[in-house]
Parts: sequence; C-alpha cells; structure tokens
Amino acid sequence: RKEVEQDPGPFNVPEGATVAFNCTYSNSASQSFFWYRQDCRKEPKLLMSVYSSGNEDGRFTAQLNRASQYISLLIRDSKLSDSATYLCVGDNAGNNRKLIWGLGTSLAVNP
Amino acid sequence: EPEVTQTPSHQVTQMGQEVILRCVPISNHLYFYWYRQILGQKVEFLVSFYNNEISEKSEIFDDQFSVERPDGSNFTLKIRSTKLEDSAMYFCASQDGGYEQFFGPGTRLTVL
Repeated sequence: RKEVEQDPGPFNVPEGATVAFNCTYSNSASQSFFWYRQDCRKEPKLLMSVYSSGNEDGRFTAQLNRASQYISLLIRDSKLSDSATYLCVGDNAGNNRKLIWGLGTSLAVNP
Repeated sequence: EPEVTQTPSHQVTQMGQEVILRCVPISNHLYFYWYRQILGQKVEFLVSFYNNEISEKSEIFDDQFSVERPDGSNFTLKIRSTKLEDSAMYFCASQDGGYEQFFGPGTRLTVL
C-alpha cells in the first residue's frame, strides 16, 4: 500500500467552482500533514498545514480525519491562478522530520 | 525574505561522470534535506542532515551519493558515477525548529 495516496486527476473546473482533493495515508503514527502546491517544473511550496481537526486559510480549507487516515483540501471560488499540482504530504512519525509525499493531484481552472 | 538557493539550475552530464549539486540553505536553519523528482513522478526523499551528519537516508541514497556541509554555508550533494536513471529535478530544503521545510528552486540533472 502506498504511504500517501492521492487521486492524480486531472481536475478540470471552471473559474469560481469549488473543488475538493482527497488523500489517504498508511502510517497511523504520522502526526503532521501538509498540503504543498507545485507549479510546473518548480519547487513545492507549502500551502497549508493540517494538524488536528483541520484549518482554514481564506478560500482554502484542510481537514484531517485520523480515524480514517484521511486528509482533504477544499478550494472555494477557484481562480485561474490556482491551476497547479497539489501535493499531500505527511511526516514519517520519526524524529528526523522526513516527509512522505503523495504523487499530487493536478488542477486546471478554466476561464 | 531569506530563501534557499541552488546552483546550477540545469546540469547536463555524461553517464559515469561525477556531479556536485550545490545548495545554500537559509542561514540559522538546522535541518537540511535533499529530494529528487523524476519527471512525472512524485517527490522522493533522499537524505536528511542535522548537526553535521546524516540523520536518515533512503534506499535511493546508495554508495554513489554523498552529502557535505563543508563551510557552514553550502550543502552539497555529490553523485559519483551518474546513471541515466539519475536524471531528475533535485531539490534542497532547509528547516529551522518549526514544521515547514523551505525548498530551493531545484537543479535539473540530465544524464546522457
């Protein structure tokens, strides 16, 4: 079983749509989770972290369900500039802070 | 705003040659990482470095790979004898005591 699993997409949505990405993880001991954004051929950049019951940052909401080992990212009122790959990331529950990465979900927001 | 820098941005090399990828982490950061991403695939952890030594390495990080922090500023990844399958984007990241890892822009390595 993959350590962090995501639907690769692509998701094609119109501007203004609400889109949700899902992610599952296999290591129940993992404590910290993150959503990173990666533009084509660029480095990953932290979008938001998800620690306990989830958090919200503007149009973005991340939720964590530890019982189901499931993480989600909701983007409301999507913009053209939201087009990117969204990477679900978890820690490896060790002390070295190594990150375990999902394959990423590709989003294209269309005018 | 401080940032992680990497050089070169693109490195082309012949199979069997040695390459050194360079990174300058954010000053005062304590933890350093190398990741790679083969085109179309996920980001893969290679190695973490803390307190002047490797704290963990993946199975990808075999004897052909080594890391150094020679002068307290630079953080280098050396591949001794490159293979075709080493072609990838290599990202350096650094981290202070918090949770966020800050990534450099990457070096695209092409092995011919």
